[in-house]
Amino acid sequence: EDQVTQSPEALRLQEGESSSLNCSYTVSGLRGLFWYRQDPGKGPEFLFTLYSAGEEKEKERLKATLTKKESFLHITAPKPEDSATYLCAVQANTNAGKSTFGDGTTLTVKP
Amino acid sequence: SQTIHQWPATLVQPVGSPLSLECTVEGTSNPNLYWYRQAAGRGLQLLFYSVGIGQISSEVPQNLSASRPQDRQFILSSKKLLLSDSGFYLCAWSVTENTEAFFGQGTRLTVV
Repeated sequence: EDQVTQSPEALRLQEGESSSLNCSYTVSGLRGLFWYRQDPGKGPEFLFTLYSAGEEKEKERLKATLTKKESFLHITAPKPEDSATYLCAVQANTNAGKSTFGDGTTLTVKP
Repeated sequence: SQTIHQWPATLVQPVGSPLSLECTVEGTSNPNLYWYRQAAGRGLQLLFYSVGIGQISSEVPQNLSASRPQDRQFILSSKKLLLSDSGFYLCAWSVTENTEAFFGQGTRLTVV
C-alpha cells in the first residue's frame, strides 16, 4: 500500500526565515510526486511534479527536490502570503490515476 | 484556458436526504475527472475517478456514487446521506492519468 508522511504537521516561521518541509513516501515504483498548496476553504493549487530522484523544480521562493525515499519543499525567505497548507501526493506505476496524499504541513509566516 | 466549476460551495443536508454535487470543466476535451473528500486537517481521499464518459472507478466502498453523463461533467450522488458523509468534497481534472490535477473550489457538506 502506498504511503505518504509529511512533517512537520505545522511550521511557524518569521518572515525571511528559510526552512524545509518533508514528504516521505513508500510506493511500489514511483510514477510521479506532486506538491500542492491549499489555502483555507479552497481547493489545492498545483505547484510541482517530480518524476525521478535528483530532479529539482523551482518557482519563486519555492524549490522542490526528490530522492528515492523523500521529497523536500524548500522555502527561501518566506513572506506572509506563503502561509498555507502544503500537500504532497504520489502516484505509483501500478496505480495510474490514483494519487495518495499526505496530511499536509500547515505553514504560518509571521511578518 | 481551462476552468473547473464546482457547486454548491456549501450545503447542509439532513440525514437520509439525497445528494447531488456537480462539476464541469471548460476548455479541454476528454479530461480525467476525480472526486476527492477531505476530512478536517487531513489529506485528500480519492473517491471516484473517470477516464471517459460512463467509465467510473470507485476507490472507497460507501453509499456514494458517481456518474459522467457528458465528457466534461462529473456528478457525485447519494440516495441517503449519513452523518459520516460530512466533509469537504473536491472535484478535479487532469490531462492524463499521470499528470497533475487541477481542483475546483470544493463543496463543504454538513450532514445534520
